[in-house]
Amino acid sequence: AQKVTQAQTEISVVEKEDVTLDCVYETRDTTYYLFWYKQPPSGELVFLIRRNSFDEQNEISGRYSWNFQKSTSSFNFTITASQVVDSAVYFCALSEENSGYALNFGKGTSLLVTP
Amino acid sequence: NAGVTQTPKFQVLKTGQSMTLQCAQDMNHEYMSWYRQDPGMGLRLIHYSVGAGITDQGEVPNGYNVSRSTTEDFPLRLLSAAPSQTSVYFCATIRSGAENTEAFFGQGTRLTVV
Repeated sequence: AQKVTQAQTEISVVEKEDVTLDCVYETRDTTYYLFWYKQPPSGELVFLIRRNSFDEQNEISGRYSWNFQKSTSSFNFTITASQVVDSAVYFCALSEENSGYALNFGKGTSLLVTP
Repeated sequence: NAGVTQTPKFQVLKTGQSMTLQCAQDMNHEYMSWYRQDPGMGLRLIHYSVGAGITDQGEVPNGYNVSRSTTEDFPLRLLSAAPSQTSVYFCATIRSGAENTEAFFGQGTRLTVV
């Protein structure tokens, strides 16, 4: 069963628009970790954020913000005032201790920001 | 500090050939894992290890073997390559801890099986 669902396959926005990437996860563990990664066209995986299951505080980093809600098993990512350089594939991932902390990735959301 | 080093970066194999993708880390992390990335599929877990001598299967283990004789190295072996194994492969280590769990990825190996 898919443990991480990113329902949006592709999103296209115009520069300066706000955009939210959705992530829904499934786990039975009480302790787990959630991640967001960015993969630009060059192919490397760029770490954006980690959230522990016991810390539901939302986080803001510049134009990026994350909303973690355990009640709905969601960890959504918002980019404010998007820029062309934000164009990339974004992955949400879940890490659980009982699988050696290996990451379960969603299928990714491809974001295209046009001028 | 090299982090996670994958070799080679690119490889072309013929169907039926065998090869080993190398993954080495210098961060002394116990947890390591291999993923493959295919278009539209995200990254899928092949095998993982929780320490030297201990490995386990992930979501898509068929056609791949792993071993973990040292903390530093976690090679991935393709015993008889098939075109379905054409993919980009990523190795990762995990630093575990309540406040600073983080994954570190290699640069990837692009494998083509013809």
